[in-house]
Amino acid sequence: DIQMTQSPSSLSASVGDRVTITCRASQSISSYLNWYQQKPGKAPKLLIYAASSLQSGVPSRFRGSGSGTDFTLTISSLQPEDFATYYCQQTYSTPGGFTFGPGTKVDIK
Amino acid sequence: EGQLVESGGIVVQPGGSLRLSCEASGFSFDDFTMHWVRQVPGKGLEWVSLISWDGGTTYYADSVKGRFTISRDNSKNSLYLQMNSLRTEDTALYYCAKGNGAYNGFDIWGQGTMVTVSS
Repeated sequence: DIQMTQSPSSLSASVGDRVTITCRASQSISSYLNWYQQKPGKAPKLLIYAASSLQSGVPSRFRGSGSGTDFTLTISSLQPEDFATYYCQQTYSTPGGFTFGPGTKVDIK
Repeated sequence: EGQLVESGGIVVQPGGSLRLSCEASGFSFDDFTMHWVRQVPGKGLEWVSLISWDGGTTYYADSVKGRFTISRDNSKNSLYLQMNSLRTEDTALYYCAKGNGAYNGFDIWGQGTMVTVSS
């Protein structure tokens, strides 16, 4: 089964900061990597699919990159509504499931 | 804009059974793979199961394999999760989610239904 890790597990940042979150897969997953944002009490929201494709309606300050085993989500200028937990997910391998990373919580400095 | 609404979550004793439902609207339900994802309150997301558009292909997480069964009724725009032999570790908020194509994540989520397994 493919394991996903994320770093950092949490970070504190200010409005306007550039924020980078890293996701690593235990084996190559090509570009089958998605990013979600989840706010307290809400369902996750798809931000990026296929490593770098922006989901419709998502602001362009969100950018995804990477392939193989190493991926990055970058928020170019953090906005107040971006404080949330971010999860990566691989959709490369069905046996074992479409595993999620453990999450990265972004809170206000 | 599509919508998913889950129902069926309750408090159940260990060893018990439960059936969750998810009703879809606003999109062509029978065109898409559907998923169940769960989340223990305050913890991360765990993918549980998927079913192909026609119900012909299903997959399960190892943690639920042999105990849970996913199904769908395209005539009713509905997705189901039959949960048997429930364990305390199955306690979670259960979301249904629509596949964004075969591999491009999950683009529509319900609000979740809470399952509590406790004696």
